[in-house]
Amino acid sequence: GQQVMQIPQYQHVQEGEDFTTYCNSSTTLSNIQWYKQRPGGHPVFLIQLVKSGEVKKQKRLTFQFGEAKKNSSLHITATQTTDVGTYFCARWDGGSSNTGKLIFGQGTTLQVKP
Amino acid sequence: NAGVTQTPKFQVLKTGQSMTLQCAQDMNHEYMSWYRQDPGMGLRLIHYSVGAGITDQGEVPNGYNVSRSTTEDFPLRLLSAAPSQTSVYFCASTRVGPGGYTFGSGTRLTVV
Repeated sequence: GQQVMQIPQYQHVQEGEDFTTYCNSSTTLSNIQWYKQRPGGHPVFLIQLVKSGEVKKQKRLTFQFGEAKKNSSLHITATQTTDVGTYFCARWDGGSSNTGKLIFGQGTTLQVKP
Repeated sequence: NAGVTQTPKFQVLKTGQSMTLQCAQDMNHEYMSWYRQDPGMGLRLIHYSVGAGITDQGEVPNGYNVSRSTTEDFPLRLLSAAPSQTSVYFCASTRVGPGGYTFGSGTRLTVV
């Protein structure tokens, strides 16, 4: 299966600035998931997007699924030091929905300068 | 609820040694997976299982074996450890249907 590509690999921002990470696929995705991993921690599930053009918000985090279901983005408004970590997108492989086989992108590591 | 429990948290092996990384979940999840994480490589799927008695290979299965005799347990076996298997290993589980994986806290393995 095709891996999802994430950009950028690293991002350094000043506290209060916005941040966006992008997840791109050459094939249509049935859904996309986003995870956050704090330094030294384990990945934590944030959200799943299923519908074309879907937009979901969690406080300062906005998640979008592209109209063609080939890309997704995570946008953080007014970053805080608590946002530091690596953000991963992930897709189910080999089927139209939850197949058990979850493939991750390489992640975007966010550093926030206070 | 303990969630997903991995043991040990740290392990040092010599090249050629074998060992089993343990993973147990108490959420009655059908799906379980093993990932390895290396710097700059993200999370790579080693093996996964969609239920007791059913396992399948992921992206990087070579050098690893798994079995799923019960819903709760999904051990990962390294048959003959190699330095290239130095990594952080995560076990995760999820239920069938919407939602994401719940991860364990990881095992940091060093092979010398």
